Amino acid sequence: SQKIEQNSEALNIQEGKTATLTCNYTNYSPAYLQWYRQDPGRGPVFLLLIRENEKEKRKERLKVTFDTTLKQSLFHITASQPADSATYLCALDFTGGGNKLTFGTGTQLKVEL
Amino acid sequence: DAGITQSPRYKITETGRQVTLMCHQTWSHSYMFWYRQDLGHGLRLIYYSAAADITDKGEVPDGYVVSRSKTENFPLTLESATRSQTSVYFCASTGTGDGELFFGEGSRLTVL
Repeated sequence: SQKIEQNSEALNIQEGKTATLTCNYTNYSPAYLQWYRQDPGRGPVFLLLIRENEKEKRKERLKVTFDTTLKQSLFHITASQPADSATYLCALDFTGGGNKLTFGTGTQLKVEL
Repeated sequence: DAGITQSPRYKITETGRQVTLMCHQTWSHSYMFWYRQDLGHGLRLIYYSAAADITDKGEVPDGYVVSRSKTENFPLTLESATRSQTSVYFCASTGTGDGELFFGEGSRLTVL
């Protein structure tokens, strides 16, 4: 069955370092992959979308890579700040259309001073 | 205000009662979705709608009913609530078939 895997263990890093989060998926070749941020008690907020023909995408301090051979996306936050502390979710549409996203369980990031 | 709003934000009900969670968006987005979020499962799609009067099941539709008579509204009804439906429910919308989803703030439902 189709599955998304994110590291369930929390990631603790020091302020100023680069955080790298991993999203692995199985049994599918998605046209695109999305990353969201979720703060406690709030709904997810969209961060970035990367398409299958894009190897890398950047937005300010964020960078996403998409390796369709490895079936993996990496999400990087450079110069991390305590305000970046949140849970980060990756999502794919396994159905091939209509944006019916399947989400990973997310990785909690904590940036410490 | 523009955006996507859910109501109620918090609801406590008893097993067997009917509950309706409301979702309203002001962008005239074609696509709307209902997800539930539980520890260990992440977000799971319950139902989605590609346009008014068009709805279809997601991953976990059993026990839920939806309707979409107007583009801006997408209510989710639990016809006979069960304890396993205790969860946080998120409504989302998008204007395209392959773009970002805009989520509401969630409705936390407890079924006793």
